[in-house]
Amino acid sequence: EAGVTQFPSHSVIEKGQTVTLRCDPISGHDNLYWYRRVMGKEIKFLLHFVKESKQDESGMPNNRFLAERTGGTYSTLKVQPAELEDSGVYFCASSQKPGNTGELFFGEGSRLTVL
Amino acid sequence: AQSVTQLDSHVSVSEGTPVLLRCNYSSSYSPSLFWYVQHPNKGLQLLLKYTSAATLVKGINGFEAEFKKSETSFHLTKPSAHMSDAAEYFCVVSPYNTNAGKSTFGDGTTLTVKP
Repeated sequence: EAGVTQFPSHSVIEKGQTVTLRCDPISGHDNLYWYRRVMGKEIKFLLHFVKESKQDESGMPNNRFLAERTGGTYSTLKVQPAELEDSGVYFCASSQKPGNTGELFFGEGSRLTVL
Repeated sequence: AQSVTQLDSHVSVSEGTPVLLRCNYSSSYSPSLFWYVQHPNKGLQLLLKYTSAATLVKGINGFEAEFKKSETSFHLTKPSAHMSDAAEYFCVVSPYNTNAGKSTFGDGTTLTVKP
């Protein structure tokens, strides 16, 4: 069974440009999450999809970030325009069920560097 | 409100000696607690979880953790370190009755295992 896959693994862009990160969750997992780790600090929650609906987007830093999950399968996270402070590693995770007992299955992350 | 403190950013042990990675938490609700491990260039993988059942939790690869409510701790231990244990470890708290994704991560502890 394929795990959570993320693309690209590393992206280097200039300030003001646009980047789109993609996440393919494990097949059958309705719950999809985005996280971000900046400068080796803690991993912070960005948002949570249940199928194609945004269940919780309270962690999204500002309106330069747009997440979508059309059709409830893969998800994209677009940053437009990118700023220096957006640099970090963006993790995607999926789970079969929500709830505090759920195990999250993580992708390998997409490292974003904004110059 | 909830928070997690991993008391050591770096831990170094010799192969074959015990491992102790410390984690303290605070939570307004009965928490669920998790330990995840991230090997270089890999996604985070669940080691073990506590979800209000037995306070001593056994995980994969010989790791275990004990939930101590009175000390608000969930330290991770292993009797004998192996070279393959070298990785970064994250302690995670999630309040009861909420989705597992909106969890709070510690800053991570990097474990180095010396031959």
